[in-house]
Amino acid sequence: EAQVTQNPRYLITVTGKKLTVTCSQNMNHEYMSWYRQDPGLGLRQIYYSMNVEVTDKGDVPEGYKVSRKEKRNFPLILESPSPNQTSLYFCASRRQGPAYEQYFGPGTRLTVT
Amino acid sequence: GNSVTQMEGPVTLSEEAFLTINCTYTATGYPSLFWYVQYPGEGLQLLLKATKADDKGSNKGFEATYRKETTSFHLEKGSVQVSDSAVYFCALLSGGSYIPTFGRGTSLIVHP
Repeated sequence: EAQVTQNPRYLITVTGKKLTVTCSQNMNHEYMSWYRQDPGLGLRQIYYSMNVEVTDKGDVPEGYKVSRKEKRNFPLILESPSPNQTSLYFCASRRQGPAYEQYFGPGTRLTVT
Repeated sequence: GNSVTQMEGPVTLSEEAFLTINCTYTATGYPSLFWYVQYPGEGLQLLLKATKADDKGSNKGFEATYRKETTSFHLEKGSVQVSDSAVYFCALLSGGSYIPTFGRGTSLIVHP
């Protein structure tokens, strides 16, 4: 089954404790991205990657890191989480080209206390 | 730059009512247009899309027509069900960019 998986689905952590949210897709998609979703603000893109070893900042990259060492994986790293990073996070992937839709993961609910 | 504007929600309807959610856009070139749906507790999933002017996308009773002259892609359904309660996002992807642009989402609540 074609899918994007994220882990963990729920995470409660404390300020400053490094964490990684994993994302994996099994569709051989070139493009992957991370979003955060907050009430009243819609979806905001954090980082994206157009292929292996190619990453770039989205609209809200501060406080986040990503890597793309393999085509299927695109982990999101919070080196020193803060309460303002409490949010719902989505990973997405798609094929290159303007006609292709994105496939989204199920989301990771992160709470930073 | 590119932008997508959706009507503010929530939109509250009774079952079997007619639904319209407005979406207008600004973009360079000739974008592809998408509607995504997010059911409670889930990620977004594609509902329908249109890749050129005058195309009509349709799925699960929903329709939207790509209107270049009015730069719009309004979502419609003739008879909504309680199970259609969700958040709907309009989005575009322009030919020169790899980065999609999303609207802020419109929450739909359907009462029995």
